[in-house]
Amino acid sequence: EVQLVESGGGLVQPGRSLKLSCAASGFTFSNYYMAWVRQAPKKGLEWVATISTSGSRTYYPDSVKGRFTISRDNAKSSLYLQMNSLKSEDTATYYCARHRNWAPYFDYWGQGVMVTVSS
Amino acid sequence: EIVLTQSPTTMAASPGEKVTLTCRASSSVSYMHWYQQRSGASPKLWIYETSKLASGVPNRFSGSGSGTSYSLTINSMETEDAATYYCQQGSSYPYTFGAGTKLELK
Repeated sequence: EVQLVESGGGLVQPGRSLKLSCAASGFTFSNYYMAWVRQAPKKGLEWVATISTSGSRTYYPDSVKGRFTISRDNAKSSLYLQMNSLKSEDTATYYCARHRNWAPYFDYWGQGVMVTVSS
Repeated sequence: EIVLTQSPTTMAASPGEKVTLTCRASSSVSYMHWYQQRSGASPKLWIYETSKLASGVPNRFSGSGSGTSYSLTINSMETEDAATYYCQQGSSYPYTFGAGTKLELK
């Protein structure tokens, strides 16, 4: 059974940093692209980042480019999201998702972790 | 950026009723994917590559479309189908989602 378990969320002040983690199990982690998707309270879904199988390629929307960094450790079956210079508009539930690269979509999602950016 | 417009924003359907949700893209996309999100839960892949049902999805659901116009249809509404449905395109970066259609039980 595919499982994705996020951790590392919490309350952080604007301008500070936070690092999210996602522990994957139930599949061969190194064979799949992975992604982060977020959802602001009572809002829709927003793609945040994608990383290739080896970690050599990463992709971001303009809203987080230069502030967020996605990375992975295939030996640990773990995905990470380093978030710097956080803004109030980054407040959201962050989901780790397995990313199918053909006709890209997200086939498994974690339970999500809440990040609140507030002073 | 490709903008996805879902309609209606909210709707209510009675058990047994046929339901159609639509998603229009601002530019042509190769495929459309759909997710179901029940209240308080994570999104689940529901339909991928326009018309393929994800594992465990009942066959009363179907997807269709091409170019800029796509739809998700429920042949006969059931209680458990009440949820928010999001469309998503992966044809070009940034990947984008529609704002969602909230489907309620009448």
